[in-house]
Amino acid sequence: NAGVTQTPKFQVLKTGQSMTLQCAQDMNHNSMYWYRQDPGMGLRLIYYSASEGTTDKGEVPNGYNVSRLNKREFSLRLESAAPSQTSVYFCASSLRGWTDTQYFGPGTRLTVL
Amino acid sequence: AQSVTQLDSQVPVFEEAPVELRCNYSSSVSVYLFWYVQYPNQGLQLLLKYLSGSTLVESINGFEAEFNKSQTSFHLRKPSVHISDTAEYFCAVSDHWDGGSQGNLIFGKGTKLSVKP
Repeated sequence: NAGVTQTPKFQVLKTGQSMTLQCAQDMNHNSMYWYRQDPGMGLRLIYYSASEGTTDKGEVPNGYNVSRLNKREFSLRLESAAPSQTSVYFCASSLRGWTDTQYFGPGTRLTVL
Repeated sequence: AQSVTQLDSQVPVFEEAPVELRCNYSSSVSVYLFWYVQYPNQGLQLLLKYLSGSTLVESINGFEAEFNKSQTSFHLRKPSVHISDTAEYFCAVSDHWDGGSQGNLIFGKGTKLSVKP
């Protein structure tokens, strides 16, 4: 039982490049989330998926797109990376709602030069 | 709109001393409150949460938090800390129970607890 896995763990991009961050969970959870963590800013929600087939914007969605590929997988895409997107990205999942415990992956540290 | 304020960005304490990490929230409706912990180079883990019932909630490793509606606070306390408690602690609030397209989980900016020998 791996929980929530994320790939890659580290990534360096040049401005304008694109990439996809992958996330998968094996807990049969319905809801999945993407957050970014910046020093002194806490976690901010980028996008979430309340259930398979649905996605909604969070607090900071600009510059990102997501795909809920199936119940297990939720990917985050940066179409044209900018230095402001340098951050640590966390994927999380929960059984159903906002009051259920969220289980976090180990994170992806992204640097955009 | 919801918001969460963690009043201290860093809290240094000596081992075996008591500690309190402060959290205040604002919300116009019923709230559900959480404390998450992040150990170095890891993702966040739930420490404890308040959904309803007793206003005092406890974790398995000796932390406790009390929901105080009149003061809109959910402070985290431990009577005697260990070196292994060194981590960053995040308070979070939600005002929606279900998982629909409404709602959010808002995190505070975090408090770094540093336990010294």
